[in-house]
Amino acid sequence: GEDVEQSLFLSVREGDSSVINCTYTDSSSTYLYWYKQEPGAGLQLLTYIFSNMDMKQDQRLTVLLNKKDKHLSLRIADTQTGDSAIYFCAGLSGYSTLTFGKGTMLLVSP
Amino acid sequence: SAVISQKPSRDICQRGTSLTIQCQVDSQVTMMFWYRQQPGQSLTLIATANQGSEATYESGFVIDKFPISRPNLTFSTLTVSNMSPEDSSIYLCSVLGQGSTEAFFGQGTRLTVV
Repeated sequence: GEDVEQSLFLSVREGDSSVINCTYTDSSSTYLYWYKQEPGAGLQLLTYIFSNMDMKQDQRLTVLLNKKDKHLSLRIADTQTGDSAIYFCAGLSGYSTLTFGKGTMLLVSP
Repeated sequence: SAVISQKPSRDICQRGTSLTIQCQVDSQVTMMFWYRQQPGQSLTLIATANQGSEATYESGFVIDKFPISRPNLTFSTLTVSNMSPEDSSIYLCSVLGQGSTEAFFGQGTRLTVV
């Protein structure tokens, strides 16, 4: 089955850019997602990218997909303290199976 | 986007008891999913709940422990039966939106078993 790996922790200063990386194993993944989870909350869908795209931009968020290397990244421009959360990468394979990484904790310091 | 409401948002339960978690969606969806997120861990799929048929369980999860109901296209319940402290987790309901490209989640139910 799919295996999704993420780095566990990232610390940045407010105003800097954050880049969260993810690798996956299933080349047949059709969609790849980024979710944000704040303490005590559920998962908020931030953005997703279809597997035939290289890049998707949505306001401060940029998703880059390197399908050859099975590498996905999420760049957050002008990171704010409110961006501090755990970010999960997930891949959709088959019709409906979502596989999640372990999450990257982003800590933004003033 | 789909709006998903889960109840309860949190509960503290005695071991040996059962808790039923409800998931209500604001639109009709074919497939609903139940996930577990153990402390400090990622999400693990428990089962897929389809309306009109029995839920499909993932390896390591069984119907006797996690019975699921799906009476219509907007509602599902997950019961955590005969609870033990190891069942302390966040349980999340999820749906695939229109076109099956966006997966949305409820806010989760934080369960603590004492």
